[in-house]
Amino acid sequence: EPEVTQTPSHQVTQMGQEVILRCVPISNHLYFYWYRQILGQKVEFLVSFYNNEISEKSEIFDDQFSVERPDGSNFTLKIRSTKLEDSAMYFCASSEVRGTEAFFGQGTRLTVV
Amino acid sequence: AQSVTQPDIHITVSEGASLELRCNYSYGATPYLFWYVQSPGQGLQLLLKYFSGDTLVQGIKGFEAEFKRSQSSFNLRKPSVHWSDAAEYFCAVSTTSGTYKYIFGTGTRLKVLA
Repeated sequence: EPEVTQTPSHQVTQMGQEVILRCVPISNHLYFYWYRQILGQKVEFLVSFYNNEISEKSEIFDDQFSVERPDGSNFTLKIRSTKLEDSAMYFCASSEVRGTEAFFGQGTRLTVV
Repeated sequence: AQSVTQPDIHITVSEGASLELRCNYSYGATPYLFWYVQSPGQGLQLLLKYFSGDTLVQGIKGFEAEFKRSQSSFNLRKPSVHWSDAAEYFCAVSTTSGTYKYIFGTGTRLKVLA
């Protein structure tokens, strides 16, 4: 069964460092998303991406964040200068059609120390 | 504003008992509705979805949900809970027009007593 894969599963980084979280969406999907979940809290929308550009982004997705689809398979989230409050589980998701079921990866747990 | 409300933060049921998790949404457009389950330390797995048609939808693991437009609700049910159902359950809503995102509720953590 096709699935969304994310790497790494865990990442520990020092405050101020750049991190890149990687995702391989399901191959025939066209819409891509990043969400985050701070420990014990709700799943928060960060950004959606379609046709090689950002479709929508939340207030959380400030200038420190960027997304890219560098090739036909990968979808990345970059945090330029990490803060302690960026510590969270980051989920990538993809959907074939806008608004229909999104499939989520297993997440990357980011810890900023 | 678009929102999803899950009024129960925690629910505890005995194994074999029935389960109903509540979800209410506020959405201007025709909503697409979902339930996801998250086991500890895991990702979000889609349990079921509603787009249109029959308002009672069946999902995986014996779950079902009923869409009630008049009550803006999409409650999740299971007739007999298994210990392995202990997890966090998230209701979510989306649409094919307007926004490009899925809006999640705050989740309901289910505990199952043996």
